Amino acid sequence: EVQLVESGGGLVQPGGSLRLSCAASGFIFSNYWTSWVRQAPGKGLEWVAHIKVDGSEEYYVGSVKGRFTISRDNAKNSLYLQMNSLRAEDTAVYYCARDGGMRRAFDIWGQGTMVTVSS
Amino acid sequence: EIVLTQSPGTLSLSPGERATLSCRASQSVSSNYLAWYQQKPGQAPRLLIYGASSRATGIPDRFSGTGSGTDFTLTINRLEPEDFAVYYCQQYGSSPLYSFGQGTKLDIK
Repeated sequence: EVQLVESGGGLVQPGGSLRLSCAASGFIFSNYWTSWVRQAPGKGLEWVAHIKVDGSEEYYVGSVKGRFTISRDNAKNSLYLQMNSLRAEDTAVYYCARDGGMRRAFDIWGQGTMVTVSS
Repeated sequence: EIVLTQSPGTLSLSPGERATLSCRASQSVSSNYLAWYQQKPGQAPRLLIYGASSRATGIPDRFSGTGSGTDFTLTINRLEPEDFAVYYCQQYGSSPLYSFGQGTKLDIK
């Protein structure tokens, strides 16, 4: 079965750090671009960060540039998001998503992991 | 920066009716890199349409997408009870690299 499974979410204080992981299975992970997408409680979807297949290029939404770092380990079929200097507005469910290559759409999504930034 | 604006914000219809959802981009979406997703409460989004008009695997043919440039439409014919959800459009290519519309909630009248 093709799937993505996120982990690492939790409660963190403002200014703190957290590292999210996403484990891929059922497909050749190293062949696909992948992204993190988040959704604040009761809000819409927001693309956060993207990394290409070999990790050579990373892209971020403006609000997380300089604070978040996306990375991948193709040998471990895993995607990561290192989040530093966390703010209350980073509170959200974080999804990893596979860009299936079909006109750059996200065809596979994980179930999400909740990150809460609060004192 | 490209902005996707979806309308209406909420659409109230009955099963069996047709739903027409709009997604308008502030700049032209290159190569029709426009997708539509369905999201139900507590679930991850599900890809419905990619390339503006191609149905993803397993998506019923009552879902169809049209449009190009800056104006895109998702049409759902003969609404089924399971179709009532929130729908998002998404583009690729312009800063930011990917972006989503704010969503249209389709609820039962």
